[in-house]
Amino acid sequence: EAGVVQSPRYKIIEKKQPVAFWCNPISGHNTLYWYRQNLGQGPELLIRYENEEAVDDSQLPKDRFSAERLKGVDSTLKIQPAELGDSAVYLCASSQNRDSLYGYTFGSGTRLTVV
Amino acid sequence: EDQVTQSPEALRLQEGESSSLNCSYTVSGLRGLFWYRQDPGKGPEFLFTLYSAGEEKEKERLKATLTKKESFLHITAPKPEDSATYLCAVHTSGTYKYIFGTGTRLKVLA
Repeated sequence: EAGVVQSPRYKIIEKKQPVAFWCNPISGHNTLYWYRQNLGQGPELLIRYENEEAVDDSQLPKDRFSAERLKGVDSTLKIQPAELGDSAVYLCASSQNRDSLYGYTFGSGTRLTVV
Repeated sequence: EDQVTQSPEALRLQEGESSSLNCSYTVSGLRGLFWYRQDPGKGPEFLFTLYSAGEEKEKERLKATLTKKESFLHITAPKPEDSATYLCAVHTSGTYKYIFGTGTRLKVLA
């Protein structure tokens, strides 16, 4: 099994430019999460999906961030326009459901650098 | 406010030198406490889930324990390959949030 797949692995963009990240979760996992991890910090939740429904987006900066999970499988996270403070690692994770006994399975993340 | 605090921030051990990492939490209700390992350039990798005070889980050189206020990750006779950042996370029952601590960076020297 491939695990959670994210792309790209790295992205460098100038401020005010748009950027998008893609995530393919583990097959059969209904719950998908996007996290942001700053250097030396733990991951912070941006948005949680149950199938195709965004059930917790309270920490998503909606003025510039958007996400979608079409057909309840793949997901895309977009930032437009990017700011210097958005530089971080963006992690996607999935689980069978929100009460998974086995924690979440994370992808390797996308490291975003905004210059 | 729900909060998770890990200590120490960083730890250097000699190979074979056992130690413990701490995860203290203050939450309205605990559904579960999770330990993850994170290697540089990778996402966190699940290690253990603990649900109730007194519970213990073991995996190779690692043992996780849980009380009503904190969890410990005990590392017995560590090896250099145990070097990583260890994260704990709590799943809250009140707000249904999954909150990570800031992690402990462990370095085991040969």
